[in-house]
Amino acid sequence: AQKVTQAQTEISVVEKEDVTLDCVYETRDTTYYLFWYKQPPSGELVFLIRRNSFDEQNEISGRYSWNFQKSTSSFNFTITASQVVDSAVYFCALSPTTSGTYKYIFGTGTRLKVLA
Amino acid sequence: SQTIHQWPATLVQPVGSPLSLECTVEGTSNPNLYWYRQAAGRGLQLLFYSVGIGQISSEVPQNLSASRPQDRQFILSSKKLLLSDSGFYLCAWSVRRSGMDEQFFGPGTRLTVL
Repeated sequence: AQKVTQAQTEISVVEKEDVTLDCVYETRDTTYYLFWYKQPPSGELVFLIRRNSFDEQNEISGRYSWNFQKSTSSFNFTITASQVVDSAVYFCALSPTTSGTYKYIFGTGTRLKVLA
Repeated sequence: SQTIHQWPATLVQPVGSPLSLECTVEGTSNPNLYWYRQAAGRGLQLLFYSVGIGQISSEVPQNLSASRPQDRQFILSSKKLLLSDSGFYLCAWSVRRSGMDEQFFGPGTRLTVL
């Protein structure tokens, strides 16, 4: 079965705190891709990062960092020194490659509220 | 650069009325196209996807349908809306590149069925 679980429905932090959003996935494919998207209040999904299953290197982009661990089937997202503008719903998605059409399986999202 | 448009942005329709949502992509050729629905407070559900003109695959049986009359045009339709059709509808496109297929989303249409 292909599945993405974002167990944290909603997280509230105070500005400048660090926060980690969890993502756990299930797939039998050996080749797959993982993604994170941000959905601000306007509604449009904004692409943040993709990671393929053969690359377990962690990635940092400014205040954002991602920790990919195949051993635990997790692809967690950390925001350092959070800001109010980070308030949004964040989605993790899995794209197994055997589907042929590269369909995404999305998690249910984590709503992040950053309080001033 | 590529852009994706959706219209209308907001729509309020009575139960039983027809629906037509349009999505167009600019700046790319032969994209994969997708329709998603996001119910209030929930994740994204893939409704339809298309890998070419006239090719539509349905993920969830329902009273919605999709068509792709042109390469960069994707239309979501219904003959009779239900209350449960309310939600936020997102169109997305992707192009296979180096084995990866990141999807880019449009601004969405917020549909309220009364």
